[in-house]
Amino acid sequence: EAGVAQSPRYKIIEKRQSVAFWCNPISGHATLYWYQQILGQGPKLLIQFQNNGVVDDSQLPKDRFSAERLKGVDSTLKIQPAKLEDSAVYLCASSLAGQFSSPLHFGNGTRLTVT
Amino acid sequence: GQNIDQPTEMTATEGAIVQINCTYQTSGFNGLFWYQQHAGEAPTFLSYNVLDGLEEKGRFSSFLSRSKGYSYLLLKELQMKDSASYLCAVRGNAGKSTFGDGTTLTVKP
Repeated sequence: EAGVAQSPRYKIIEKRQSVAFWCNPISGHATLYWYQQILGQGPKLLIQFQNNGVVDDSQLPKDRFSAERLKGVDSTLKIQPAKLEDSAVYLCASSLAGQFSSPLHFGNGTRLTVT
Repeated sequence: GQNIDQPTEMTATEGAIVQINCTYQTSGFNGLFWYQQHAGEAPTFLSYNVLDGLEEKGRFSSFLSRSKGYSYLLLKELQMKDSASYLCAVRGNAGKSTFGDGTTLTVKP
């Protein structure tokens, strides 16, 4: 099966600019996650979707971050405006819905550098 | 909320056995996962435990004690390619997965 696809692979922007990341999950995976991973730390959940509905966005900085999954498949994560502390790897993951034993399948991530 | 603790770093010798511990405090529990993450790569799934006891999968085994909020990952016959970060993650309510900060394992010849 094809894995989780993410783009771009790398992005360098200046602070106060905007950036968008794209994710295409594994076919049939209704649950999609966006995680932020800062160097030396574990992934931190930003937002979780089931189909096109938000399940959890409690840790999403909503003043600057937004995410959508309009048709319940692809998703985009946007940062506007970016801050220096947003420099991190943004990981998209997907899993089967309704199955707690279903592991997360991760994409290769987008490495964001904010200067 | 969720709180997950793992040692930051461990070092072991090729061919040896290493045990990586994870303790957790959660408001909901629907299983514990271990993932492996090589530098610059995405995490990949290693194991899942939801009931107490040991799950064995080749050179890797994982143990869970729900009453103690404790798990470990056991790696046998260590190989150089096992040098990586090992992430403990708890699946809580609504399927949310919370990760620890990972244990960086260095395998030396």
